[in-house]
Amino acid sequence: GQQVMQIPQYQHVQEGEDFTTYCNSSTTLSNIQWYKQRPGGHPVFLIQLVKSGEVKKQKRLTFQFGEAKKNSSLHITATQTTDVGTYFCAEGSNYQLIWGAGTKLIIKP
Amino acid sequence: EAQVTQNPRYLITVTGKKLTVTCSQNMNHEYMSWYRQDPGLGLRQIYYSMNVEVTDKGDVPEGYKVSRKEKRNFPLILESPSPNQTSLYFCASRRGGANVLTFGAGSRLTVL
Repeated sequence: GQQVMQIPQYQHVQEGEDFTTYCNSSTTLSNIQWYKQRPGGHPVFLIQLVKSGEVKKQKRLTFQFGEAKKNSSLHITATQTTDVGTYFCAEGSNYQLIWGAGTKLIIKP
Repeated sequence: EAQVTQNPRYLITVTGKKLTVTCSQNMNHEYMSWYRQDPGLGLRQIYYSMNVEVTDKGDVPEGYKVSRKEKRNFPLILESPSPNQTSLYFCASRRGGANVLTFGAGSRLTVL
């Protein structure tokens, strides 16, 4: 069935460094959503991308949807301790979301 | 406040002892769903419901039951829990026709 591959599984960064997570699919995605889960918390919706080549920004977060709608990325500029958590991508349909495995952002002490 | 409420938040139980995790939403959402989250496996859907009296299996339904008798409630039933059902469970809901999910706070279940 449809799969969304998300890499990397973990990323360790120094505070102030950038962070990027990628989602890829072998088939065309109808849309892509991004969620953030803080440690001990629940997933919280960040954004949805629908159009080919779409780019959206939320402060230091930049979300991109590929031209072929087969990949997406989330880039965080100058990470802060408040960015710590796991970031998930998911493709939505009427029935269910197909989730990536998540990328855990860890800030090195 | 618009929210999805799950109970209990934490539970330790023993193999074979039936349990129910309740889920309630106050947003009049048509769609509700249960997920389990395990390290390295992300979120896997157990069951979902498009509306009252309409339920369907997700990716990992074995060992679970659900019901949707009222729009606001979607309980998850483990008739005979086993240790491999030890996990973090999330209930979520959304409006019909929308994709964005609102999640509950999670229920951490341990089966000994």
